Amino acid sequence: DAGVIQSPRHEVTEMGQEVTLRCKPISGHDYLFWYRQTMMRGLELLIYFNNNVPIDDSGMPEDRFSAKMPNASFSTLKIQPSEPRDSAVYFCASSPQGETQYFGPGTRLLVL
Amino acid sequence: GESVGLHLPTLSVQEGDNSIINCAYSNSASDYFIWYKQESGKGPQFIIDIRSNMDKRQGQRVTVLLNKTVKHLSLQIAATQPGDSAVYFCAEISGGYNKLIFGAGTRLAVHP
Repeated sequence: DAGVIQSPRHEVTEMGQEVTLRCKPISGHDYLFWYRQTMMRGLELLIYFNNNVPIDDSGMPEDRFSAKMPNASFSTLKIQPSEPRDSAVYFCASSPQGETQYFGPGTRLLVL
Repeated sequence: GESVGLHLPTLSVQEGDNSIINCAYSNSASDYFIWYKQESGKGPQFIIDIRSNMDKRQGQRVTVLLNKTVKHLSLQIAATQPGDSAVYFCAEISGGYNKLIFGAGTRLAVHP
């Protein structure tokens, strides 16, 4: 099994630009989670999906952030417009039953 | 399990010694706990889990102990190796919910 796949692995962009992060969960996992990790705030849950449906998006910082899961094998996290304070590592994780979560390698985002 | 970010506590051990990493969790209703290991530049990796109806669980070179009375979790690593150097996170989840709440993390440094 390839595990959770995320792309890109690194992203450098300028303030105001749109950023799209992508995730392919482990096949057969019904849950998908998006996290953000920073030195100041640690690991924060942004949103999670069950069977492609968003269940809890209370961790999404503001309207600039949006996430979609059009099918069981793909999800995106979009930031528009991006700001320097969005710089962080963004992780996607998937889970078969919502408990044990398996993380991807992360996308390191730098907004200049 | 509020993350404090910048100043992670660090545990320094000699190669071959046993390591004990502690975690205080926040919710007495939490019924499932996981330890994750995060190496530099990588996503958190599942190590071992335990349910609240148990007080001890053993894996390969690792043991997790749960004390529900004082809401305390510990991870014991036997014969610590240089490859064990990483940040270790405990995470808790409450029944009926799928949101993992992560602790602040402890950095384990293994010296030869």
